[in-house]
Amino acid sequence: DQQVKQNSPSLSVQEGRISILNCDYTNSMFDYFLWYKKYPAEGPTFLISISSIKDKNEDGRFTVFLNKSAKHLSLHIVPSQPGDSAVYFCAARDNAGNMLTFGGGTRLMVKP
Amino acid sequence: DAGVIQSPRHEVTEMGQEVTLRCKPISGHNSLFWYRQTMMRGLELLIYFNNNVPIDDSGMPEDRFSAKMPNASFSTLKIQPSEPRDSAVYFCATLDRGGTTEAFFGQGTRLTVV
Repeated sequence: DQQVKQNSPSLSVQEGRISILNCDYTNSMFDYFLWYKKYPAEGPTFLISISSIKDKNEDGRFTVFLNKSAKHLSLHIVPSQPGDSAVYFCAARDNAGNMLTFGGGTRLMVKP
Repeated sequence: DAGVIQSPRHEVTEMGQEVTLRCKPISGHNSLFWYRQTMMRGLELLIYFNNNVPIDDSGMPEDRFSAKMPNASFSTLKIQPSEPRDSAVYFCATLDRGGTTEAFFGQGTRLTVV
């Protein structure tokens, strides 16, 4: 049973437009959420995070929104750039043991 | 710090052979995770350690898989015997439970079992 789901395996966006990546979770015990970016042949790298006590966190072009009642979070990238093309993973931390559970990833393609 | 170091970067082996993947965590990090990335399942957690102690190995697919962390600076993931369906990229990640929340990943080991 997947506790963290990214239902869109891929997303294509024009350069300069907004990219919205979505993530749903089922475990109410998750207290911290993270987004990672992964380029081919590299390990995932941390991008941005949000605590469950907040509903928004912004860092430059990247904003993460959390809707606890819907158990949903999203990552907004605006404006999107070709260098943003990568696989994005949503992850959630279990407050019991710091275990990170990942979603299946969404491949973002930003077209020039 | 050089980050999380995994070796080898690539491994090609024949079915039935033993495979050992290695990970050197970032110095001072006290949690270590082994993940496997596949097209079907994305990043799935196999096992994680806190202070060198295995906490949850429920993600280990079969008894053919085993992991150890003999000290704070080294961990291994062993597959014996290996099978073609084990082909995937295996990542090691570590974090400092007393510090920031994000885990840092190694560059992964691409395993191909033929």
